[in-house]
Amino acid sequence: GEDVEQSLFLSVREGDSSVINCTYTDSSSTYLYWYKQEPGAGLQLLTYIFSNMDMKQDQRLTVLLNKKDKHLSLRIADTQTGDSAIYFCAVLTGTASKLTFGTGTRLQVTL
Amino acid sequence: SAVISQKPSRDICQRGTSLTIQCQVDSQVTMMFWYRQQPGQSLTLIATANQGSEATYESGFVIDKFPISRPNLTFSTLTVSNMSPEDSSIYLCSVEDRTGGYEKLFFGSGTQLSVL
Repeated sequence: GEDVEQSLFLSVREGDSSVINCTYTDSSSTYLYWYKQEPGAGLQLLTYIFSNMDMKQDQRLTVLLNKKDKHLSLRIADTQTGDSAIYFCAVLTGTASKLTFGTGTRLQVTL
Repeated sequence: SAVISQKPSRDICQRGTSLTIQCQVDSQVTMMFWYRQQPGQSLTLIATANQGSEATYESGFVIDKFPISRPNLTFSTLTVSNMSPEDSSIYLCSVEDRTGGYEKLFFGSGTQLSVL
């Protein structure tokens, strides 16, 4: 089955850019998503990219997809303290709308 | 995007009891899912809630432990039966949205369950 990996922790200074990375194994993945989870809350869909795209930009968020290397990244420009959360990469594979989640990356934003 | 209401938001339960979690969506959706997030872990799919038929369970999850109902296209329940401390987790409902031709999955705010 699909395997999705992320680094566990990232610390950045306020105002800097954050880059969160994700790797996956199934080359037939169709959609790839980034979710944000704040303490005690559910998951907020931040952005997504379809597998035939290389890049997607949405305000401060930029998603890059390298299908050859099965690598996905999320760049947050001008990172703010409100961006502190756990970020999950998730991959949709197959026709049954099943998501496989990465381990989550805890982003800490320091002043 | 679909608005998902999940309740209760949290509960503390005694071992051996059962808890039913409700998920209500503000629009009709074809696909609804239930996920579990154990403490400090990622999310794992429990089952797909099928309208009008039995839920489809993932490996490691069984109907006797996690019975699911889906009486219509806007509502589903997940019951955690005969609870033990190992069932302490966040349980999340998810729905599929294909508005605009792109497939997106949205999540409810989750139910934080603690079993004593």
